[in-house]
Amino acid sequence: QKEVEQNSGPLSVPEGAIASLNCTYSDRVSQSFFWYRQYSGKSPELIMSIYSNGDKEDGRFTAQLNKASQYVSLLIRDSQPSDSATYLCAVSINNNDMRFGAGTRLTVKP
Amino acid sequence: DVKVTQSSRYLVKRTGEKVFLECVQDMDHENMFWYRQDPGLGLRLIYFSYDVKMKEKGDIPEGYSVSREKKERFSLILESASTNQTSMYLCASSPGQDLGSQHFGDGTRLSIL
Repeated sequence: QKEVEQNSGPLSVPEGAIASLNCTYSDRVSQSFFWYRQYSGKSPELIMSIYSNGDKEDGRFTAQLNKASQYVSLLIRDSQPSDSATYLCAVSINNNDMRFGAGTRLTVKP
Repeated sequence: DVKVTQSSRYLVKRTGEKVFLECVQDMDHENMFWYRQDPGLGLRLIYFSYDVKMKEKGDIPEGYSVSREKKERFSLILESASTNQTSMYLCASSPGQDLGSQHFGDGTRLSIL
């Protein structure tokens, strides 16, 4: 079983809709959770981090964490074509190791 | 703004060659990382370093070595390049205990012929 799993997509949503990206992880001692965005041909950039159960909002982005279910998600409200990218989920285990998922490709159609 | 600079954007080498990939960061970060990224496999950690002259193996260290003689520079070495090492290589850095806030370089697309 992969340590960090994401649906590879592609996930396609119309402009203005909510995009929901999901990630599950296998290691229960995971402590910190991150979402990176990677545009085609570019390197990943950090967009959200979350450390405790619940929701964390930053502009149009909301990260949701449920440690009991070992599940972290990213919601993008009012999706824009510029949000089209691959979104990588990353999990830090005991703050001395990081694991990335393979990423979900999101396409926002005008 | 953090700047992570990788020495080459594209590189073509031959099987059996010794290959050096260089990475420099300008924000005095303690942690530096080397990943490779392949379609469908995501980012896989090769090596990371949390201090000068310190290194830790990642998930796929076989066929690679690293060097960190100065805090700002982290080098990845392919001892004897093979075709299965054709990939995108990404360097990243992060401050202190914050492994998650990684800043990435632009990547080096390495082709081994």
